[in-house]
Amino acid sequence: QVQLVQSGPEVKKPGASVRVSCKASGYTFTSSGITWVRQAPGQGLEWMGWISAYNDNTNYAQSLQGRVTMTTVTSTSTAYMELRSLRSDDTAVYYCARYEGTYSDNRFDPWGQGTLVTVSS
Amino acid sequence: QSVLTQPPSASGTPGQRVTISCSGSSSNIGSKTVNWYQQLPGSAPKLLIYSNNQRPSGVPDRFSGSKSGTSASLAISGLQSEDEADYFCAAWDASLNGVVFGGGTKLAVL
Repeated sequence: QVQLVQSGPEVKKPGASVRVSCKASGYTFTSSGITWVRQAPGQGLEWMGWISAYNDNTNYAQSLQGRVTMTTVTSTSTAYMELRSLRSDDTAVYYCARYEGTYSDNRFDPWGQGTLVTVSS
Repeated sequence: QSVLTQPPSASGTPGQRVTISCSGSSSNIGSKTVNWYQQLPGSAPKLLIYSNNQRPSGVPDRFSGSKSGTSASLAISGLQSEDEADYFCAAWDASLNGVVFGGGTKLAVL
């Protein structure tokens, strides 16, 4: 079955960077893309961006431009999300999900289990 | 403040029909398709409805989606205790050039 497994929890200091991995299995990795969504404690979902696993084209949320980079390694079917210059309000659970479809008609399915990133001095 | 507007809470009793609304604008719901995600307590979100009204395999037909103009709705019929969860709507926003989510609706089964 299609499955996404993410790396473990991280604790970082303000100003540091974090990299979260997302390993895919059960489908042809390059046939779709990976999106990243985060959820602050007790809050809603925030879309961070996505990357095509076919050609590495990316589209990042305007609010994170310049601080986030998404990459893929097709040989290991793994996607990565790096967030730099961390602030306390970056504390959240970070999810990856497979995305299919077009810009205007897309869907995120399935989702990884989530990775808690805590930013604290 | 979320771009898509959902009621923060909804409730119903077992067997009842409940609807959750999602209001947007011409740059998102008015011109793009809507997805709905279900997040059970302590779990990752799960795709519930895509392309306004399509159910992925495995999702019971108790769940249905609709869209009219700049609003969308999720309906749950034959409410069950395991439906207690947070529900989020989502759509592409052409002005923001990104996906926007609703703030989420917490559904309680009384």
